[in-house]
Amino acid sequence: DVQLVESGGVLIQPGGSLRLSCAASGFNVSSNYMSWVRQAPGKGLEWVSVMYSGGSTYYADSVKGRFTISRDNSKNTLYLQMNSLRAEDTAVYYCARGSGGYSLDSWGQGTLVTVSS
Amino acid sequence: EIVLTQSPDFQSVTPKEKVTITCRASQSIGSNLHWYQRKPDQSPKLLIKYASQSFSGVPSRFSGSGSGTDFTLTINSLEAEDAATYYCHQSSSLPHTFGQGTKLEIK
Repeated sequence: DVQLVESGGVLIQPGGSLRLSCAASGFNVSSNYMSWVRQAPGKGLEWVSVMYSGGSTYYADSVKGRFTISRDNSKNTLYLQMNSLRAEDTAVYYCARGSGGYSLDSWGQGTLVTVSS
Repeated sequence: EIVLTQSPDFQSVTPKEKVTITCRASQSIGSNLHWYQRKPDQSPKLLIKYASQSFSGVPSRFSGSGSGTDFTLTINSLEAEDAATYYCHQSSSLPHTFGQGTKLEIK
């Protein structure tokens, strides 16, 4: 079975850094399009970043230059390095897999990041 | 950036009713439009991919249509378990984007 498990979400002060992890099982992250999507309190889903199987990466303008997506194929894990965090980055962060194209067919349970002093 | 606008934002419906949610793209996206269901305290679930392809295991009462800029998610014979927020998502061009969501309340 395909499973995605996020971790790393915490309460952190503005300006801080954090790395989220998404451990995958049942498939190889290196062979799939992988995304991070977030949902701020009371808001809708917001696409954050993507890593294609070939290694190309892209970011939403709201996080470009501050967030970095990466993967460790040996650990079958996707990461999101988050720097210069702002209050507006407060959200539940989901990792999701694209399969058979770029629709997101499997999602993790999410991890909560709270940016507050 | 492609903006997706869903309508309505909220709808209160009765069981067995037919529901239509629309998603309009700010520019043509072909059929690169997907629909998700998100229930409280659950992760989003894929319902429809590429405008009209039902995802495995999704009840047949859910269907999608459209291409270009206008898309529709239809729920035939609504059930109480369909209470959720529904989102469209485009993968035509980067950055990929989501609609603002449509919340369905079951009366």
